[in-house]
Amino acid sequence: GQNIDQPTEMTATEGAIVQINCTYQTSGFNGLFWYQQHAGEAPTFLSYNVLDGLEEKGRFSSFLSRSKGYSYLLLKELQMKDSASYLCAANYGNNRLAFGKGNQVVVIP
Amino acid sequence: EPEVTQTPSHQVTQMGQEVILRCVPISNHLYFYWYRQILGQKVEFLVSFYNNEISEKSEIFDDQFSVERPDGSNFTLKIRSTKLEDSAMYFCASSLGGRGDTQYFGPGTRLTVL
Repeated sequence: GQNIDQPTEMTATEGAIVQINCTYQTSGFNGLFWYQQHAGEAPTFLSYNVLDGLEEKGRFSSFLSRSKGYSYLLLKELQMKDSASYLCAANYGNNRLAFGKGNQVVVIP
Repeated sequence: EPEVTQTPSHQVTQMGQEVILRCVPISNHLYFYWYRQILGQKVEFLVSFYNNEISEKSEIFDDQFSVERPDGSNFTLKIRSTKLEDSAMYFCASSLGGRGDTQYFGPGTRLTVL
């Protein structure tokens, strides 16, 4: 299978910026998704990168380097509601997603 | 905004029993998926489905599992003889297109096998 590596947990204060990193296996890779998952709920789509570079969507940005097998998600101006797990999912084959374990972000006042 | 829906939200069953998990994908989507997430673990791909046939499946998706699109709206996952280790949250997802298209997830069915 494709190993997707993410760090597990981080704590940050409201208004701060956090960066969540992800590495993936490049063989057969189509693109990289980031999802947000609150406890007990479904993953919700945040961003998609297929080309190298930075994609910005409001407070969230995502970066991809295909040659390095590396992506990061940048969360700016953190809000309490951003406390969640952030899942990196690499796309392979016929649109199969291989998820990392997720990075739990805890936002404190 | 269109959503993927799943029923039931919770299912408790005895080991060895058959269960059917139901999903209604987003109406104009053509590609359908099942994933599972064992408590505290990562989301795992089970199967993808397009044009009334399986397009890809993982090693988890053995002969105990099957999928079906019985009509124009439903997409089901059947587990023929449940095992304790099948206890997990099962997510259905759908996408408009194939490779590289965004998959939208349903709220999940929590399956507990006793």
